[in-house]
Amino acid sequence: EDKVVQSPLSLVVHEGDTVTLNCSYEVTNFRSLLWYKQEKKAPTFLFMLTSSGIEKKSGRLSSILDKKELFSILNITATQTGDSAVYLCAVERGGSNYKLTFGKGTLLTVNP
Amino acid sequence: EAQVTQNPRYLITVTGKKLTVTCSQNMNHEYMSWYRQDPGLGLRQIYYSMNVEVTDKGDVPEGYKVSRKEKRNFPLILESPSPNQTSLYFCASRTLAGDRNEQFFGPGTRLTVL
Repeated sequence: EDKVVQSPLSLVVHEGDTVTLNCSYEVTNFRSLLWYKQEKKAPTFLFMLTSSGIEKKSGRLSSILDKKELFSILNITATQTGDSAVYLCAVERGGSNYKLTFGKGTLLTVNP
Repeated sequence: EAQVTQNPRYLITVTGKKLTVTCSQNMNHEYMSWYRQDPGLGLRQIYYSMNVEVTDKGDVPEGYKVSRKEKRNFPLILESPSPNQTSLYFCASRTLAGDRNEQFFGPGTRLTVL
């Protein structure tokens, strides 16, 4: 059974702090790992990672994948209150299913 | 605008009364999927479809049916809803072509079964 574990489950920081969110996984026939941000509505796509060691970056957010150790991290620098959300990690299975298995998410609260 | 739409967005119903939640995408995506999201359990896949007339079960298919008669539509059918199907439901779609493979999510349908 595919499994995704995110840590921490919740995190409270002050504006300007840097945070690191963790995601470890076990999946049959790995295709990709995805990060989504969810703010009381539909998940919105952040990153898709398929290769180890290649950092994906978008503004203050960045992410990297380690396929040998089966984990990924999502970094957010200089956090803002607008970064408050649940961050979801998901792995996509290869083959003919394309099923996404999600972790339970990390609830990030950024206080002013 | 490229999007996945769902209707209704909110629904309160009673046990046993058949209902359908519609999902439509305008991106010509081959793959569509339904998820439910519950506190403490995260998002779990209910059913998915690789293309027209091709559907298969996800992790939690019991109590649900789907159909894929047209590429753009993937309705979720609850023949006899029960209170344990109270949840937040998301439809998602994805292209199977090229290397752009993120799943796009609809806005969600919050269902309450009394």
